[in-house]
Amino acid sequence: EVQLLESGGGLVQPGGSLRLSCAASRFTFSDYAMTWVRQAPGKGLEWVSDISGSGGSTNYADSVKGRFTISRDNSRNTLYLQMNSLRAEDTAVYYCVRGWRSYPFDYWGQGTLVTVSS
Amino acid sequence: QSVLTQPPSVSGAPGQRVTISCTGSRSNIGANYDVHWYQQLPGTAPKLLIYGNTNRPSGVPDRFSGSKSGTSASLAITGLQAEDEADYYCQSYDNSLSGSGVFGTGTKVTVL
Repeated sequence: EVQLLESGGGLVQPGGSLRLSCAASRFTFSDYAMTWVRQAPGKGLEWVSDISGSGGSTNYADSVKGRFTISRDNSRNTLYLQMNSLRAEDTAVYYCVRGWRSYPFDYWGQGTLVTVSS
Repeated sequence: QSVLTQPPSVSGAPGQRVTISCTGSRSNIGANYDVHWYQQLPGTAPKLLIYGNTNRPSGVPDRFSGSKSGTSASLAITGLQAEDEADYYCQSYDNSLSGSGVFGTGTKVTVL
């Protein structure tokens, strides 16, 4: 069964940075586009960013554009999300998800909590 | 912000049928992009429930069904069970945004 394991979440002050990682296993990672989805406490799902299988194409939600950077290392089967200039409204559980665009998000990680607070 | 609108909540007694609507526009559902549905049980990650408008992944009971027409889609749950109490989200793609997937606002299903 496909596995996606996020790490890197935690408490950070406003204006700070964090890098999330997602270790993928049990599928050919480079064959699949990947997406980050977040969920603020008690709120709905929000698409954050996605990246093609090769890493050559990326997209960002307007709410994070210019602050977050998605990347991947296919040799390590790992997806990343570099988050800079963090704001209180970025507080959420961040999910690593297989799939993108109009395709279904067929596998989800367990999520990692990011809390932005002073 | 979500561009797909769902009712905040629906409820039904065990055994009943409930439906959840997902209303979009001509730049997403109406542009013939597929709609997918997810179930999120309390305290867990979302799980794919319906893909490609009407298809169920292996292991999803046939009590769950999806449909799509025009700029809207629907999820139906027949023979409602206590274990179906969860949040449900629709998802599609919107060509008016920066190439993004879009989620519905979410619906809480309560089994009475």
